[in-house]
Parts: sequence; C-alpha cells; structure tokens
Amino acid sequence: QLQLQESGPGLVKPSETLSLTCTVFGGFITSSSHYWGWIRQPPGKGLEWIGSIYYSGSTYYNPSLRSRLTISIDTSKSQFSLKLSSVTAADTAVYYCARAGTAAVGTDFDSWGQGTLVTVSS
Amino acid sequence: QSALTQPASVSGSPGQSITISCTGTSSDVGSYNFVSWYQQHPGKAPKLMIYEGIKRPSGVSNRFSGSKSDNTASLTISGLQAEDEADYYCSSYAGSSTFVVFGGGTKLTVL
Repeated sequence: QLQLQESGPGLVKPSETLSLTCTVFGGFITSSSHYWGWIRQPPGKGLEWIGSIYYSGSTYYNPSLRSRLTISIDTSKSQFSLKLSSVTAADTAVYYCARAGTAAVGTDFDSWGQGTLVTVSS
Repeated sequence: QSALTQPASVSGSPGQSITISCTGTSSDVGSYNFVSWYQQHPGKAPKLMIYEGIKRPSGVSNRFSGSKSDNTASLTISGLQAEDEADYYCSSYAGSSTFVVFGGGTKLTVL
C-alpha cells in the first residue's frame, strides 16, 4: 500500500529557506500515471496547492510562489523535495505531500502524507 | 481569498441530503471537467472523495456524488451520517499557467 512521509525541520527562521522531503513507500515514484505534489494548510485555514512534479522532472508551480519555489525529484531514493526561500510568518503551515493522477497536471490527490507543521519564527 | 468560492458552513440532520457548492470562473471550473472534492477531519490529511467532477475513487461511499453546471461544481451527500461531519474542499484545474486552485472550504455539521 502506498505511503508518503514528509520530513524536515519544524522550525525555520524568517528570510531563510524551508526544505522538506517526501519519501514514497510501497509505490513507484517513476510511475508514468502519477504526479507528485505539495499542498499546505496554514493553521485554521484552507488548502493551498504549492506545486507538482512528474517523474521526468517537469515541474508545475503555484504562480504566487514561483519566484521562491523549487521542487525536485530523486527517483533513486523514491523522494521528491520542496524548497521555499525567503520565508515569512505567512509560510507557517502544515505541509502535505501527495500523489495525483495525470489528468490535468494532477488535480486529484488520492494519497497523502500525514503532514508536517513548519513554523516560521525567530 | 481563495480562487474558488464555497459556503463557509452547511448543516443537515442524519438521513438528510446536503449540497455544497463551489463557484469558480470560465477559466477554471467552467472550462474543465477536472474538479475534485476532499473531505478533511480535524487533525487529519484530506481524503479524495470525487475527481474529474463526478467520479468516485474506490472505497468512497456512493452517498457522495458530484456535478457541475456552468462555473459551479457541487458535492451532494445523501443519507447524512455522523461521520460525514468534516471540512470539505473543492479544487479545479485552472489552465496551463495557474494549474490547480482550491476553494476556501466548507464546514459540514451533522445536527
């Protein structure tokens, strides 16, 4: 059964770079039938799509985050990663990694990690 | 402000049916049949309930159904049960520049 697990620091200082990794267990990150994405949820608020990546390395970013965002994939480790630079308190959120189908860049996230809270504070 | 508009809350009694709307524009919901609906219980990750507007993933109850008219998608839950109480989010493909947008979420209360 597919499982996704986020890992990374839970506390990041303002202006620094937030880095998270998602490890995929029980499935093939090289699947041609799926995209891999990041979604975040500020405390008490709604979901925001951050971006997605295909096993080939093609990336799709939220326009509002594009200038600060890098998503990459390491198929040899079954991992994909998120880097968000110049963070502020507004980037404090639970960050989820998830898998989606290939329809329309993956709007249908059918498997999710448990989420990891990242707090931006000095 | 979210790209897709959902009511903040809806409620219903056990056994009743409720509908949650998700209003977008001709650039997202109105142009593509790629609307998804997610259920989220407190402290848990979202769960996909509907994809491509009307399709149910394996294991999702047929009490959940999706539809669309013009720029508005809808999620209907029939035969409400206590465990349906949760937050519900819609999302839509929004073209090759914006890609994916979410609604602000709707809190469903089962009375």
